[in-house]
Amino acid sequence: GAVVSQHPSRVICKSGTSVKIECRSLDFQATTMFWYRQFPKQSLMLMATSNEGSKATYEQGVEKDKFLINHASLTLSTLTVTSAHPEDSSFYICSALKGGGTDTQYFGPGTRLTVL
Amino acid sequence: DAKTTQPPSMDCAEGRAANLPCNHSTISGNEYVYWYRQIHSQGPQYIIHGLKNNETNEMASLIITEDRKSSTLILPHATLRDTAVYYCIVRVRTGGGNKLTFGTGTQLKVEL
Repeated sequence: GAVVSQHPSRVICKSGTSVKIECRSLDFQATTMFWYRQFPKQSLMLMATSNEGSKATYEQGVEKDKFLINHASLTLSTLTVTSAHPEDSSFYICSALKGGGTDTQYFGPGTRLTVL
Repeated sequence: DAKTTQPPSMDCAEGRAANLPCNHSTISGNEYVYWYRQIHSQGPQYIIHGLKNNETNEMASLIITEDRKSSTLILPHATLRDTAVYYCIVRVRTGGGNKLTFGTGTQLKVEL
């Protein structure tokens, strides 16, 4: 199998606070994980690539100081939205790359962030 | 990665086969065709991928034309639970950061 979990599934926070989202690969190790954001009625947009043991690579236009990524182990990556504002409200989805010849990304269920 | 073109929406009767087309006329020789689907408010689900041969798994079949410029995802017996947005993505299997670029996909609606 290839199961990826995310926690929390839904979070509501006040403007100015920070929110941490966890992404775990449950039955495989992933040296590479990805973070996406999806606004209503839009497609997924890649935010950053997270590599275990090294700094994340951010896509153009994504503020690395606002979206902190830590890939602490082969099964866990975290995304911290710092000083969240209402415009950061979105659906955040992670994926984990399963290697070993398949090189297929498996996605988590997503985290719905609402910033008041 | 090569761009893909998909119809924005399709309807299918439950129990019938759903055939979802995808054009990728600029595909390169080392690029694979991947299919994912996203049910409302969930993360995308991997369906199938292929290079040039037709592929089949427990979820679907993937038919790639001989010139590899287009492909069709086939759900043999669509159910209401197959209602989702289906994404066709072309990418190099390794390297290139392993990135997936999502387009707008096809909204498949399965009806009774």
